[in-house]
Amino acid sequence: QSVLTQPPSASGTAGQRVTISCSGSSSNIGTNTLNWYQHFPGTAPKLLINSNNQRPSGVPDRFSGSKSGTSVSLAISGLQSEDEADYYCAAWDDSLNAWVFGGGTKLTVL
Amino acid sequence: QVQLVESGGGVVQPGGSLRLSCAASGFSFSNYDMHWVRQAPGKGLEWVAYIQYDESNKYYADSVKGRFTISRDNSKTSLYLQMNSLRVEDTAVYYCTKADYWGQGTMVTVSS
Repeated sequence: QSVLTQPPSASGTAGQRVTISCSGSSSNIGTNTLNWYQHFPGTAPKLLINSNNQRPSGVPDRFSGSKSGTSVSLAISGLQSEDEADYYCAAWDDSLNAWVFGGGTKLTVL
Repeated sequence: QVQLVESGGGVVQPGGSLRLSCAASGFSFSNYDMHWVRQAPGKGLEWVAYIQYDESNKYYADSVKGRFTISRDNSKTSLYLQMNSLRVEDTAVYYCTKADYWGQGTMVTVSS
């Protein structure tokens, strides 16, 4: 059972907009910045969004983040086949003194 | 450019030990907190351990507390993970990360 809760799967057709949610608590998302990662199995995870809605250089603006209280969302617009990957949210938890992750969401482009 | 290169993985019997290393370059290593994160086969990412930039604080996941030790050598820009009393459930790819950059990982297999 992950501390941060994500849906196990999401899907959309090419060109669509999909969102992936991540729910936490006051000790993690409510207090600290949250990162979103894109992970292709066998490769290094890639930071997509940090500080809740900032994209590192090189990340397309099709990816965006938002926050409401203790929940955050990752939105991917103009879905492309190469977006098919696993997506994880992560935040430091002040109560656990741990970096907590969501269970991951497998995105399928139909 | 930032590079994190893990090494030291391999196959070990239950109860055995391994020491993972992570060679860092392309950034001021001594100024950054670092983590080890793992991914077991078919599972999601799991945080393992954290070390503050000056080693003043270290934290561990409950699953490895008392068995794993994180350390660093800022003069060698390297991060380490000493893993003792290994269990089958420790089998995973182990990544070192500064949160915005990750290494490619090193595979640890615990099997008899």
